[in-house]
Amino acid sequence: DVKVTQSSRYLVKRTGEKVFLECVQDMDHENMFWYRQDPGLGLRLIYFSYDVKMKEKGDIPEGYSVSREKKERFSLILESASTNQTSMYLCASSGVGGGRGNGYTFGSGTRLTVV
Amino acid sequence: GEDVEQSLFLSVREGDSSVINCTYTDSSSTYLYWYKQEPGAGLQLLTYIFSNMDMKQDQRLTVLLNKKDKHLSLRIADTQTGDSAIYFCAEYDGGATNKLIFGTGTLLAVQP
Repeated sequence: DVKVTQSSRYLVKRTGEKVFLECVQDMDHENMFWYRQDPGLGLRLIYFSYDVKMKEKGDIPEGYSVSREKKERFSLILESASTNQTSMYLCASSGVGGGRGNGYTFGSGTRLTVV
Repeated sequence: GEDVEQSLFLSVREGDSSVINCTYTDSSSTYLYWYKQEPGAGLQLLTYIFSNMDMKQDQRLTVLLNKKDKHLSLRIADTQTGDSAIYFCAEYDGGATNKLIFGTGTLLAVQP
């Protein structure tokens, strides 16, 4: 069964902490994505990557950075966590062309609370 | 730019049919998708339709595509309480962004 695995289901961090959210996929996918999901706002794309060591800004990159040192792993970094970054974070991956009939495969999500 | 719109909420009774609607703007979309998100979970691909098709049926699910009106719908027959979830439609924009563009999601509430 193909999988996208996010390292934590729930996280509680303090304001100002550096936070790492990890995502690993086992499908040899080229593309990986980080979204945040907030009630009434749908999915908002933070960053994405088409290849190792490549990254592109999404719609809301401010306050975030990413790292993709290996094809299977895509990390989201909150340099200095703030309360307005409390959210559900979703990682996804896909093959070329948006995954065609397979679309994106999503992880289970990480519910981050910043206090 | 690209925009995918859905109504926010739909309530149906158990055993009835549900129809969730979606409109999109990119006429060059090749693939269109429906995803389901159960509470506290990630998104799960339910089905997709290729742009040269008008309809696709998969057990209780029927997808209808009207390319002229850029309208996509998902019909769930004999809706069950386990179908309660948020449903997202998405289009693949192979041109400008080469990414999936997601709607804001429709919350389906199934009343027993």
